[in-house]
Amino acid sequence: EADIYQTPRYLVIGTGKKITLECSQTMGHDKMYWYQQDPGMELHLIHYSYGVNSTEKGDLSSESTVSRIRTEHFPLTLESARPSHTSQYLCASSVHSPGANVLTFGAGSRLTVL
Amino acid sequence: AQKVTQAQTEISVVEKEDVTLDCVYETRDTTYYLFWYKQPPSGELVFLIRRNSFDEQNEISGRYSWNFQKSTSSFNFTITASQVVDSAVYFCALSEALGTSYDKVIFGPGTSLSVIP
Repeated sequence: EADIYQTPRYLVIGTGKKITLECSQTMGHDKMYWYQQDPGMELHLIHYSYGVNSTEKGDLSSESTVSRIRTEHFPLTLESARPSHTSQYLCASSVHSPGANVLTFGAGSRLTVL
Repeated sequence: AQKVTQAQTEISVVEKEDVTLDCVYETRDTTYYLFWYKQPPSGELVFLIRRNSFDEQNEISGRYSWNFQKSTSSFNFTITASQVVDSAVYFCALSEALGTSYDKVIFGPGTSLSVIP
């Protein structure tokens, strides 16, 4: 059973609405990530965090923003959703230690903007 | 530039056939990690294996095996005697140094495997 939870799993909203995708993990991981997965399956890193009060932009430019006020919580917000934001958003976390870390993923949030 | 290529977009095999998923990577780092993840229809990516750049030993885990060859920058994944439950999208990934903590994981485009009963 996953220790990283994403809500909502599915969301259909109209253009211009503000939305927040929630991501929480119970593993005490310092590092957290948001990936955007387009219909062609490819995953793109859009945000990551090393710990509380740390946020960085990933490789793919995104109009979304993130915050990291608590270790376990890494929400993603879109202030004004557009159809181009329609995608699957995957949250992940990993421990903070030297060496490459295995990512633990949530089940994803599938967003559709009409 | 760092890049992961999975040339096979979709593969279909009949159950019990062997199948190899190709992965070719590019990096200028001498120290890096390679991964395979599986994404079943439920959507959640599951970690399968991690290999560091200094360890070229092949690995076998049940019906799964991995062939890492630095000379060709490849990290191929073979499923022996495939089963319907192996149907999923498989991602190869590369982790390069970012400072000293290997934070950035770059994924390939994925290979969708369908195992037909």
